[in-house]
Amino acid sequence: AQSVTQLDSQVPVFEEAPVELRCNYSSSVSVYLFWYVQYPNQGLQLLLKYLSGSTLVESINGFEAEFNKSQTSFHLRKPSVHISDTAEYFCAVSEVNTGFQKLVFGTGTRLLVSP
Amino acid sequence: GAGVSQSPSNKVTEKGKDVELRCDPISGHTALYWYRQSLGQGLEFLIYFQGNSAPDKSGLPSDRFSAERTGGSVSTLTIQRTQQEDSAVYLCASSPKRGTTDTQYFGPGTRLTVL
Repeated sequence: AQSVTQLDSQVPVFEEAPVELRCNYSSSVSVYLFWYVQYPNQGLQLLLKYLSGSTLVESINGFEAEFNKSQTSFHLRKPSVHISDTAEYFCAVSEVNTGFQKLVFGTGTRLLVSP
Repeated sequence: GAGVSQSPSNKVTEKGKDVELRCDPISGHTALYWYRQSLGQGLEFLIYFQGNSAPDKSGLPSDRFSAERTGGSVSTLTIQRTQQEDSAVYLCASSPKRGTTDTQYFGPGTRLTVL
């Protein structure tokens, strides 16, 4: 079985500051890794995912995450945040060799960007 | 195009009553997932459908929960004899095909409150 830990339930940050949202996972088998975002009053949306290849993956809105196998981490970073990045961010994993993508989510981190 | 839709958006019921929650996946998507987002448990997988194959029910928390998918499209999640711990947001997601690497597209959810 897999588990995902997001230690920070809430991260307050000022606009244009850098941010890192932490994600650690536990699994005895190979996993794919995902970050989902839930904007206020909207549904979950995929932000980025790591499947294979380069350990650094990027989203279209400036976020990036790096898969670190030795530390079992997949932290999400952005060098300069905007007010519009205010949302809840969920890290998730799914086992590589199952027949379908059974996502196991962390408890989420609420990013609060203030002016 | 149209995304995943769910109805109702909110449902308030009394303990012991049965409820039905509906999910309309994106047209052409063969894979359909149900998740539950609750304060105590975070986001957890409930059930997976792929086309007309038998579903994976490994995440259903009790035999009071059941789901069906008619014609490989619309899905209904039924909760019998609701309990207060069933209060949560129930999310549906669909993806284009069977696989562990596809993106899941989430609906807005149904907020269930059991009094």
